[in-house]
Amino acid sequence: EVQLVESGGGLVQPGGSLRLSCAASGFTFSSFEMNWVRQAPGKGLDWVSYISSSGTTIYYADSVKGRFTISRDNAKNSLYLQMNSLRAEDTALYYCTRGSPGIFGYWGQGALVTVSS
Amino acid sequence: QSVLAQPPSTSGTPGQRVTISCSGRTSNIGLNTVNWYQQLPGTAPKLLIFSSNQRPSGVPDRFSASKSGTSASLAISGLQSEDEADYYCASWDDSLNGWVFGGGTKLTVL
Repeated sequence: EVQLVESGGGLVQPGGSLRLSCAASGFTFSSFEMNWVRQAPGKGLDWVSYISSSGTTIYYADSVKGRFTISRDNAKNSLYLQMNSLRAEDTALYYCTRGSPGIFGYWGQGALVTVSS
Repeated sequence: QSVLAQPPSTSGTPGQRVTISCSGRTSNIGLNTVNWYQQLPGTAPKLLIFSSNQRPSGVPDRFSASKSGTSASLAISGLQSEDEADYYCASWDDSLNGWVFGGGTKLTVL
């Protein structure tokens, strides 16, 4: 069974940093592209970042470019999102998602990030 | 303002057929496939349709979708109370070099 478990969320002040992790199991992690998708409270879905299976191709949404860094460790079956210079508008539930089938075939339960002073 | 346009809400009665539209541009739906997601209250989204009209295993055939030009639509037939959820469309955008979502449609089963 495919499982994606996010961790690392929490309360952080504006301008601060946070690192999210996603532990994957139930599939060959190194074979699949991964994405982070977020959802602000009461709002819709918002794509954040993509990383290919090997980690060589990476994309970011314009809203996080230059502040967030996606990475993966295929030996540890883990996906990461380093978030710097956080803003109030980054407050959201951050989902780790696996591609195939489709763009976001499987979703974790999410990690809540709250940016507030 | 979402890149893909969806109606904010729709409703239907049990057994009825409802459709949800998703309107985009050449750079997204016009050139790429569309995926649809269902988000039940308080849960993570779930893939409903991929590659514009393909259902993952386990998704009932009451759910179907199509794409034409720069628009797509999701159809739910034989509406059931458990279908009450938010529905989102998504596609790759060649101009933005990223994935884009619709704003979501809240389906109410009356």
